[in-house]
Amino acid sequence: DAKTTQPTSMDCAEGRAANLPCNHSTISGNEYVYWYRQIHSQGPQYIIHGLKNNETNEMASLIITEDRKSSTLILPHATLRDTAVYYCIVRATSGTYKYIFGTGTRLKVLA
Amino acid sequence: ETGVTQTPRHLVMGMTNKKSLKCEQHLGHNAMYWYKQSAKKPLELMFVYSLEERVENNSVPSRFSPECPNSSHLFLHLHTLQPEDSALYLCASSQDGSGRPDTQYFGPGTRLTVL
Repeated sequence: DAKTTQPTSMDCAEGRAANLPCNHSTISGNEYVYWYRQIHSQGPQYIIHGLKNNETNEMASLIITEDRKSSTLILPHATLRDTAVYYCIVRATSGTYKYIFGTGTRLKVLA
Repeated sequence: ETGVTQTPRHLVMGMTNKKSLKCEQHLGHNAMYWYKQSAKKPLELMFVYSLEERVENNSVPSRFSPECPNSSHLFLHLHTLQPEDSALYLCASSQDGSGRPDTQYFGPGTRLTVL
């Protein structure tokens, strides 16, 4: 079973920030938080990952709470092409090859 | 373009056919994966190869047979499939190194329909 819980769906206006929450209350100290997205019928696309500190790259920002029990993926200026299913995954750095994908959040960016 | 290619992108086959899916990664990675994504279901890991050795096989029926001839290529051989095997089959690769997170990069998938 996935170790994360995410809202089933969210809407966001084009040009606004999209904030996608994820709960991972049972996360272990050696587990990273990964975010992927999947646009309809394509392969999942890596977005960002982090351990404790907040992270930012050209696609998004990842904010992890101090207790690491939840995180938020931020798309700063959502576009219609950001419409996708977003998956939050936690996994250890070693000992397992598995990404356990849940059902994710279906983000719809509205014009 | 992630550096992971899959062919064919679409495949329709009968239950008595034999076919193969191909995956190639151009990222210099040492681990490759097959995932299955059925309609309305999460991705399921099928097989993992690390350094060309199979390290994980998640109770996949024997009608699916993986092959990893080298670290850049991965095949999934299919025979006597069932209609419920119709799904999106995804290949991924990563650089496996103990103690470091290995981000997986996915190919575009092969949409398989079994008639």
